Amino acid sequence: AQKITQTQPGMFVQEKEAVTLDCTYDTSDPSYGLFWYKQPSSGEMIFLIYQGSYDQQNATEGRYSLNFQKARKSANLVISASQLGDSAMYFCAMREANTNAGKSTFGDGTTLTVKP
Amino acid sequence: ETGVTQTPRHLVMGMTNKKSLKCEQHLGHNAMYWYKQSAKKPLELMFVYNFKEQTENNSVPSRFSPECPNSSHLFLHLHTLQPEDSALYLCASSQEEAGRYYYGYTFGSGTRLTVV
Repeated sequence: AQKITQTQPGMFVQEKEAVTLDCTYDTSDPSYGLFWYKQPSSGEMIFLIYQGSYDQQNATEGRYSLNFQKARKSANLVISASQLGDSAMYFCAMREANTNAGKSTFGDGTTLTVKP
Repeated sequence: ETGVTQTPRHLVMGMTNKKSLKCEQHLGHNAMYWYKQSAKKPLELMFVYNFKEQTENNSVPSRFSPECPNSSHLFLHLHTLQPEDSALYLCASSQEEAGRYYYGYTFGSGTRLTVV
């Protein structure tokens, strides 16, 4: 079974509007971390935001926030006030405490296009 | 330099050639990774090195040979590749501690490899 599922291959959003990118995950490990990365067309993956399984509050980093619903095993990324520079591919990833050190599982990604 | 540096950025090689990809991190991290990103597949973990020791080899064909001479440098030696090996090869690093799962990766910009 896939551990990270991103069901939206592509998304469009109007500049200055908010957009939600979906991510669901599957794990039996009670201790895990969830991450979002951005990959512009240049290729480099950029870390955006992190949410721990025991965190009580949703993570926020500037215009990025993570809508963490533990019971539903979802960790959606919300980008507020979209900018043209937000056009990129976005990956959701998970690390479990009881796996080989450092190993992360990535979703297939969502391509976001911001329209002017 | 800062962050994770990958060279070369682009590489075209014949199936009988031997080449190497280089990754260098200036962050003092103790773990390094090779990922393969193909057009039609999700990110695939290839190798994990923790404190210079290989801790993961994700069923990678022997035509890919990693080398980690120290915690700052990681190489991927390539020989007799196939056209289906054409992809973006991403190097990443992280700071690992036993039982800790909240460290994200810092990625390099990748090497775009074309096998002809």
